[in-house]
Amino acid sequence: SQQGEEDPQALSIQEGENATMNCSYKTSINNLQWYRQNSGRGLVHLILIRSNEREKHSGRLRVTLDTSKKSSSLLITASRAADTASYFCATDGVGTALIFGKGTTLSVSS
Amino acid sequence: GAVVSQHPSRVICKSGTSVKIECRSLDFQATTMFWYRQFPKQSLMLMATSNEGSKATYEQGVEKDKFLINHASLTLSTLTVASAHPEDSSFYICSARDRRGAPDTQYFGPGTRLTVL
Repeated sequence: SQQGEEDPQALSIQEGENATMNCSYKTSINNLQWYRQNSGRGLVHLILIRSNEREKHSGRLRVTLDTSKKSSSLLITASRAADTASYFCATDGVGTALIFGKGTTLSVSS
Repeated sequence: GAVVSQHPSRVICKSGTSVKIECRSLDFQATTMFWYRQFPKQSLMLMATSNEGSKATYEQGVEKDKFLINHASLTLSTLTVASAHPEDSSFYICSARDRRGAPDTQYFGPGTRLTVL
C-alpha cells in the first residue's frame, strides 16, 4: 500500500535555487521521514519529524509538517548538482513499517 | 551507526531459477525486518514484515508462496524468490529495526538488484 503522494513528480532547477517538494498522506501518523535515493542506489535518511513537531531544520534542509492537512514539505536551499536524486517521504505508526510516497525526482543543473 | 547489509548486491538469473537474498544487521539485533520492492522509476512498496521466530506478514497482493521469507535469527532475514520470472526483476531493499532502539528507527540495506532473463 502507498500512503504518501509527492508533488511535484519531477522538478528541474538551476544550482543555487531552492527546491520545494510536498507530501500528502492519508492516515494518522507517528512520524514522517524524508529519504533521498540516487539513481539505482539505496536510501539515505535525511530527516525525521514527529507528529507533534511543526518544523525541523538540518543543514540546508527544512521540513514542515501540518497534521491537520496531513501534509509535509521538504525545502532544500541553495541547491547543488549533487542534490540531484529522487526524494521520498515515508510515514509510520508506532512500531510499524514505513509506507513510502511516490517520490519527487529532482534535477539540479549547473 | 547501525549497518544493514544485503547479499548479493546484484544477481542475474534465468527464468525459473530460485534466488535467495540475505539481509543482515551487522551490529545490532533486529526482531523485525521489512522487505520492500522497487520497480524502475517507482517508489518502494512494502512486501512483508518479518519477525524473528515467527511467520512473516505479507502485504495484500504479495504471494507468500513465491516470496519466501525466513527470519531465523535476530540478525538475519532471507527472501527467496521462487521460480523467478522476468516480471520479478526489481530492486529489493530490506530494513531492520534495532530491538533496543526507538521503534521509529529503521536502518535500510543497500538493496539487491534482481534481473531475471
